[in-house]
Amino acid sequence: DAGVTQSPTHLIKTRGQQVTLRCSPKSGHDTVSWYQQALGQGPQFIFQYYEEEERQRGNFPDRFSGHQFPNYSSELNVNALLLGDSALYLCASSYYGQIVTGELFFGEGSRLTVL
Amino acid sequence: AQSVTQLGSHVSVSEGALVLLRCNYSSSVPPYLFWYVQYPNQGLQLLLKYTSAATLVKGINGFEAEFKKSETSFHLTKPSAHMSDAAEYFCAVSELGYGNKLVFGAGTILRVKS
Repeated sequence: DAGVTQSPTHLIKTRGQQVTLRCSPKSGHDTVSWYQQALGQGPQFIFQYYEEEERQRGNFPDRFSGHQFPNYSSELNVNALLLGDSALYLCASSYYGQIVTGELFFGEGSRLTVL
Repeated sequence: AQSVTQLGSHVSVSEGALVLLRCNYSSSVPPYLFWYVQYPNQGLQLLLKYTSAATLVKGINGFEAEFKKSETSFHLTKPSAHMSDAAEYFCAVSELGYGNKLVFGAGTILRVKS
């Protein structure tokens, strides 16, 4: 049973560029959440997608956007990259029908370095 | 608003010694509480989660945590540290459920000395 998979694992961009990160949820899961983990900090919630719609959003600017596809996979897009966007981006999946009693499963993350 | 405070960004213990990692939370409703572990260059792995069924929660790898409502704490303990326990530990809270949005603490790096 494949867990949460993310790609790419590492990438380097320059300021002002745009980046797309991808996530495939755990089998049977239909909800995807994204978190940003800056160096030395805990993960911070960016947003959550269910039924191809953004359901919740954390305190992140509009430069951060996402998408969920019919197969439940998801993309995180960041435009106009800033140095401060350098971080580990974690994807987590869950089953919406058990959003209260279930569990979040995390991928290993995509490490973004902005130069 | 929810928040989590982890006291001590770094904790160092000797192998075989007690591990105690501190977590205090703030929540306006009965919280869902978690401890996650992160090994270098890896994602987050759930160690344990609080359920209202018991205030003392047992998790994987010999870890346990006790929910104390009066102290708004959820400290993580392990009776005897092992070298393989060296990692970063995160306490998290949710007001919406186990599978929903989590608010994390800043993390505590555990070092185990031989």
